[in-house]
Amino acid sequence: EAQVTQNPRYLITVTGKKLTVTCSQNMNHEYMSWYRQDPGLGLRQIYYSMNVEVTDKGDVPEGYKVSRKEKRNFPLILESPSPNQTSLYFCASSSEPRPTDTQYFGPGTRLTVL
Amino acid sequence: RKEVEQDPGPFNVPEGATVAFNCTYSNSASQSFFWYRQDCRKEPKLLMSVYSSGNEDGRFTAQLNRASQYISLLIRDSKLSDSATYLCVVLSTGNQFYFGTGTSLTVIP
Repeated sequence: EAQVTQNPRYLITVTGKKLTVTCSQNMNHEYMSWYRQDPGLGLRQIYYSMNVEVTDKGDVPEGYKVSRKEKRNFPLILESPSPNQTSLYFCASSSEPRPTDTQYFGPGTRLTVL
Repeated sequence: RKEVEQDPGPFNVPEGATVAFNCTYSNSASQSFFWYRQDCRKEPKLLMSVYSSGNEDGRFTAQLNRASQYISLLIRDSKLSDSATYLCVVLSTGNQFYFGTGTSLTVIP
């Protein structure tokens, strides 16, 4: 089954404790992306990647890191989480390097930073 | 100014009604346009891409007006299952996506 998976689905952590949210897709997609969704602000793009070893900042990259060492994986790293990073996070992928095609989203990760 | 703006609603319509959503975007060089549907904080799913000539998929019709920089979605013969939040999405210059905040639709029996 074609899908985007994220782990963990739910996470409660404390300020300053480094964490990684994993994202994996099995569709051989070139383009991958991370978003956060907050009430009243909609989805905002954090980082995206056009291909292996190619990553670019989105709208709200501060406080986040990503890596793309393999085509299928695109982890999101919070080196020192803060309460304002409490949010719902989505990973997405699409087939084209220029993403004019459908984006497939993972199920989301609910993160709470205390 | 936001890249993409949508009326958040909510829109509460009876079954069988026709409802239209509009969305405006600020970057005239934007490349591609989409409508996504999101159910109750689940992942967004593509409803339809929006083409310059307009396109239709069953009860759903999408239109793009580049001159006025707006996108519309028309839903005819609304069903209870159409209740969701509809997200307007724009692929701007470069390869960055911008999402509207979403329009909430509730179809009432």
